[in-house]
Amino acid sequence: GAGVSQSPSNKVTEKGKDVELRCDPISGHTALYWYRQSLGQGLEFLIYFQGNSAPDKSGLPSDRFSAERTGGSVSTLTIQRTQQEDSAVYLCASSLGDSGNTIYFGEGSWLTVV
Amino acid sequence: SQKIEQNSEALNIQEGKTATLTCNYTNYSPAYLQWYRQDPGRGPVFLLLIRENEKEKRKERLKVTFDTTLKQSLFHITASQPADSATYLCALDTMSGNTPLVFGKGTRLSVIA
Repeated sequence: GAGVSQSPSNKVTEKGKDVELRCDPISGHTALYWYRQSLGQGLEFLIYFQGNSAPDKSGLPSDRFSAERTGGSVSTLTIQRTQQEDSAVYLCASSLGDSGNTIYFGEGSWLTVV
Repeated sequence: SQKIEQNSEALNIQEGKTATLTCNYTNYSPAYLQWYRQDPGRGPVFLLLIRENEKEKRKERLKVTFDTTLKQSLFHITASQPADSATYLCALDTMSGNTPLVFGKGTRLSVIA
């Protein structure tokens, strides 16, 4: 597609439920990033995929969070047993992968845990 | 510890003036520094990239400087307009292989007519 596509754009879920957030990066981009942004806060790095390398999971806040990237393209971020503090915008971005390249963000998935 | 700080959470400026935003970092050796704009409810959008061996980069009314000795980047918007009101984020690229961009918390700029 022309840009990074994320779905759903909005999700309201009950505490304790699992959620899956999807990211479709720009075609040809080898690097894919997930960030989280809480209301009025900066971007918090979660996980980074680059080509066939092992993902950098150093930003995942707990073992309830996981992500995978299938076929080097679409990525899914899964949050198990959601908590209210998980409420945030989850932003996906992609880039050509080489350092110094612009990263392109999607519009985010707004997650509210009630 | 590694830190990237944008000096103010919010900056108000009169239309037509030059807005200057600051990004400071510690314990990083960035090869590149990037600036992004984020409007409410939207994802960040890339504005400018400056390399460590560049002192200054310009794009229309935007100017970025990068001082690796001071470990600081300044982002200027000249002849500011109300449409420039947004949050501006700086981000470091350390060019160390599988390292993602690290973002500052951003500065929310309001240009008052």
